[in-house]
Amino acid sequence: GQQVQQSPASLVLQEGENAELQCNFSTSLNSMQWFYQRPGGSLVSLFYNPSGTKQSGRLTSTTVIKERRSSLHISSSQTTDSGTYLCAMDNSAGNKLTFGIGTRVLVRP
Amino acid sequence: EAAVTQSPRNKVAVTGGKVTLSCNQTNNHNNMYWYRQDTGHGLRLIHYSYGAGSTEKGDIPDGYKASRPSQENFSLILELATPSQTSVYFCASGAWGEQYFGPGTRLTVL
Repeated sequence: GQQVQQSPASLVLQEGENAELQCNFSTSLNSMQWFYQRPGGSLVSLFYNPSGTKQSGRLTSTTVIKERRSSLHISSSQTTDSGTYLCAMDNSAGNKLTFGIGTRVLVRP
Repeated sequence: EAAVTQSPRNKVAVTGGKVTLSCNQTNNHNNMYWYRQDTGHGLRLIHYSYGAGSTEKGDIPDGYKASRPSQENFSLILELATPSQTSVYFCASGAWGEQYFGPGTRLTVL
């Protein structure tokens, strides 16, 4: 089965709305990372977040290792936030990432 | 200054041909990775390396070889390219679980 489940699969927001993206892991993990990807673009690291809460501007990531989940909160969304958000976990000693399929976000003006 | 670069950025190859994708990193990371990204599958790990001279099989290594001649360079080699290998390929470098990605190579095998 899928080791990394992301929800929702897609999301449409009106500019200014908040959103919460979820990532659940089927196995224990050492760490996890959130990425942002524009269509046709590369992956930009948003957070490396093994545990706890981290904030960067309007983005907040919270990882609860014991519960095998992580969330990404987008506050006051902007059209430039549109794209795909990917989470990935490292559950091995080899520092290898396993990715979810992503949440596609569209922010309308 | 881009820390992970890939070449070529786009490539069209013929079935049965040999394809080499190159990756260079200036992060001085020991670990490097090759992934492919396909709709519906997300990113999947093909090969990775812990340092110069080492290569390890990832989750989908069949049909691919890798080479790590130096700390900075990591290549992915398709000896006999097939249409099923049409995809976008990403290289990454990393340390302590955190990874940084290159811009990607779009490969089309006809």
